[in-house]
Amino acid sequence: LAKTTQPISMDSYEGQEVNITCSHNNIATNDYITWYQQFPSQGPRFIIQGYKTKVTNEVASLFIPADRKSSTLSLPRVSLSDTAVYYCLVARGTDKLIFGTGTRLQVFP
Amino acid sequence: GAGVSQTPSNKVTEKGKYVELRCDPISGHTALYWYRQSLGQGPEFLIYFQGTGAADDSGLPNDRFFAVRPEGSVSTLKIQRTERGDSAVYLCASSLTAGFTDTQYFGPGTRLTVL
Repeated sequence: LAKTTQPISMDSYEGQEVNITCSHNNIATNDYITWYQQFPSQGPRFIIQGYKTKVTNEVASLFIPADRKSSTLSLPRVSLSDTAVYYCLVARGTDKLIFGTGTRLQVFP
Repeated sequence: GAGVSQTPSNKVTEKGKYVELRCDPISGHTALYWYRQSLGQGPEFLIYFQGTGAADDSGLPNDRFFAVRPEGSVSTLKIQRTERGDSAVYLCASSLTAGFTDTQYFGPGTRLTVL
């Protein structure tokens, strides 16, 4: 399964847009890009999943370029409650999910 | 409806003891997953059930770890002869259908401490 690389940490301020980029150079044709969010003392929570181009839901947007070797999770107008760890994963139906260490996002007032 | 629940929320045991961790998945979810998470790390896959059978147990670290899901719903992770290195948060997740592209819903975890 394709390995993912993402920044270890990011800082932002309330009201700003946050973009977290993830690289997955060895992504395969059948792979999907999936993001989870984890707050302290909780299990991860699914945010968004996409295959190509752009996906948007009520929480975030996911931008995937044509070559699919990277993706960007965009969080519009973050608040303090968005402080969490964000995991980028490549998901394939038959292979287990591999979580890396994620990106620790800290939002300041 | 109710989410994934795990009991106990915390478990402290002594080295060498046997422990059981329980997971109640979302009703109707076919697939169930166990992960282990150490401090500062992402969840590490342990085992995956499709119905009652273990479809992938490649993440179990050794034969001290065993999991069951006898009726295709509740699952129990069993750890024999616990070691201090087993201390971690054990997470359970379930998904409506089998397959790792389906959304996994995680429980709050069981924090296991082996003294």
